[in-house]
Amino acid sequence: NAGVTQTPKFQVLKTGQSMTLQCAQDMNHNSMYWYRQDPGMGLRLIYYSASEGTTDKGEVPNGYNVSRLNKREFSLRLESAAPSQTSVYFCASSTPSRGNTEAFFGQGTRLTVV
Amino acid sequence: AQRVTQPEKLLSVFKGAPVELKCNYSYSGSPELFWYVQYSRQRLQLLLRHISRESIKGFTADLNKGETSFHLKKPFAQEEDSAMYYCALQGGSEKLVFGKGTKLTVNP
Repeated sequence: NAGVTQTPKFQVLKTGQSMTLQCAQDMNHNSMYWYRQDPGMGLRLIYYSASEGTTDKGEVPNGYNVSRLNKREFSLRLESAAPSQTSVYFCASSTPSRGNTEAFFGQGTRLTVV
Repeated sequence: AQRVTQPEKLLSVFKGAPVELKCNYSYSGSPELFWYVQYSRQRLQLLLRHISRESIKGFTADLNKGETSFHLKKPFAQEEDSAMYYCALQGGSEKLVFGKGTKLTVNP
């Protein structure tokens, strides 16, 4: 059971380059999330998708776009990378259920923008 | 708005000592609260949820609605408890929001 799979695991970009981080889950979850993790800042929500076909901004959406391609996949795109986007990115999925909610996380993507 | 505050970035205790990681939240409705843990080189994983009122790995957390707190406690810390701990809140919109995390170090 793969759970939540993110690709790539590592990436180095030059300022201004674009790239897409891929995320897929095989647990039939409705909700999917993208977070960035920075020292001293914890996990900050970039975008989330409560169901297929819907996306909403989180705390730090500027400079990012997302696509909920289908129920399984939720991609994060950086159109023009900036050094401030150097971070570790985590994708997560869950099916909110009162009393039984649990988010499952991918292994993370370590992105460096030079 | 949903907000989670973890006032301590770092917490260091000795093995066998009690430990308490603080978490306060802000939410106008009835939230679900969680503690997630990230051990070194591992994925974040759920430690416990308030609604289950369970004890996992000796940790417990009680939701105090009056003080809007959900502190994580363990009476006797172990070295293997060293990790990053995140408090999280899920409100009605299904948005899952995390605090900034507390890095717990348990010294031998």
